[in-house]
Amino acid sequence: QVHLVQSGAEVRKPGASVKVSCKTSGYTFTGHFMHWVRQAPGQGLEWMGYIDPNSGGTYYAETFQGRVTMTRDTSINTAYMELSSLKSDDTAVYYCARDPSLGNNNWFDPWGPGTLVTVSS
Amino acid sequence: DIQMTQSPSSLSASVGDRVTITCRASQTISKYLNWYQQKPGKAPTLLIYSASGLQSGVPSRFVGSGSGTEFALTISSLQPEDFATYYCQQSYTLSYTFGQGTNLQIK
Repeated sequence: QVHLVQSGAEVRKPGASVKVSCKTSGYTFTGHFMHWVRQAPGQGLEWMGYIDPNSGGTYYAETFQGRVTMTRDTSINTAYMELSSLKSDDTAVYYCARDPSLGNNNWFDPWGPGTLVTVSS
Repeated sequence: DIQMTQSPSSLSASVGDRVTITCRASQTISKYLNWYQQKPGKAPTLLIYSASGLQSGVPSRFVGSGSGTEFALTISSLQPEDFATYYCQQSYTLSYTFGQGTNLQIK
């Protein structure tokens, strides 16, 4: 059974950075892209980007380019998302989500439980 | 980026009703359209992939349709556990984008 476990809630001050982890089990970690999606309180879903755990290659949404870094550690089947220069409107739940597809259409299943990041002075 | 517009934004219905949520893309996306359900305080879950593919374990009352720019998610007979927020998502081009969500509430 595929399982994603994320790190716990974080509180940061504006201008700081945060790194969220997503530990996986139940499948071949390097076989599927991992995406990150965030959701501000009471708002919709916003796609941030993905990492190819096999190569380490990444693609970031333009909104986050220059502030987000996605990495992985294949020895422990874990993906990471680091967001820097935090602002109050970065307060959100951050989800990792596996891409099980192997073709051109890409979808997300399953999702991790989410990590609440609160940015407040 | 491709804009995804869902309608309605909110919807009230009763158990047993048939409801349809629509999703329109700002440009053609073929069948690169997926649907998710999200309940309060929980992560989204995949319902439909590639416009009409039913994800394993999802009840058959959930039906996806459409191609190009117009898509629909139909729930044939609402059950109490179906009251939630629904999102469409395109993967035709990067950056992937979601609709704004449809909040399905009990009447």
